[in-house]
Amino acid sequence: EVQMVQSGAELKEPGESLKISCKGSGYSFTTHWIAWVRQMPGKGLEWMGIIWPRDSDARYSPSFRGQVTFSVDKSVTTAYLQWSSLKAADTAIYYCARQADSGLDSWGQGTLVTVSS
Amino acid sequence: SSEVSQPPSVSVSPGQTASITCSGDNLGQKYACWYQQKPGQSPLLLIYQDDQRPSGIPERFSGSKSGNTATLTISGTQAVDEADYYCQAWDGHTAPFGTGTKVSVL
Repeated sequence: EVQMVQSGAELKEPGESLKISCKGSGYSFTTHWIAWVRQMPGKGLEWMGIIWPRDSDARYSPSFRGQVTFSVDKSVTTAYLQWSSLKAADTAIYYCARQADSGLDSWGQGTLVTVSS
Repeated sequence: SSEVSQPPSVSVSPGQTASITCSGDNLGQKYACWYQQKPGQSPLLLIYQDDQRPSGIPERFSGSKSGNTATLTISGTQAVDEADYYCQAWDGHTAPFGTGTKVSVL
């Protein structure tokens, strides 16, 4: 069974850094892109970009380029999403998902990130 | 901002057919897929590659595309189908989501 398991909720202050994780299991981790998706409170889904675990080739949506960084650690089949300096506007649920056949077929449970002073 | 547009809401009576459209520039040259999201849950893939249904998805969900407009059709809509629905346009490099449609089963 394919599973994407994300790290737990985070409460951070503006200006702090953060790295959240997404562990894939039940499939060949290096042969599927992993996508990151943002959902702000009460709003729709936003595609942030994707990363290819085999060589860490990352493609960012123009809206998120320079704002976040994707990375992977193949040895533990885990993808990461990180911020160097959080803003209140980063408050959202962040999902990771496996990309397959031009669709996101397995989703993590989401990580709630709250940025507040 | 999203490059892909959907109607904000659709209302349907139980047992009737609901259709949700998704429009975007050059959507005809991209693959469309559809997701269902219920409150407090992660999205669920309903349709990929315009009209393909993953295993386990009920047959009442179908997808089609004509020109730059993709359509998700829910036949024989049930109360459990009340949810938010999102399309996504995939061109191999970027994959913006649509603005989302809330389906109400009244």
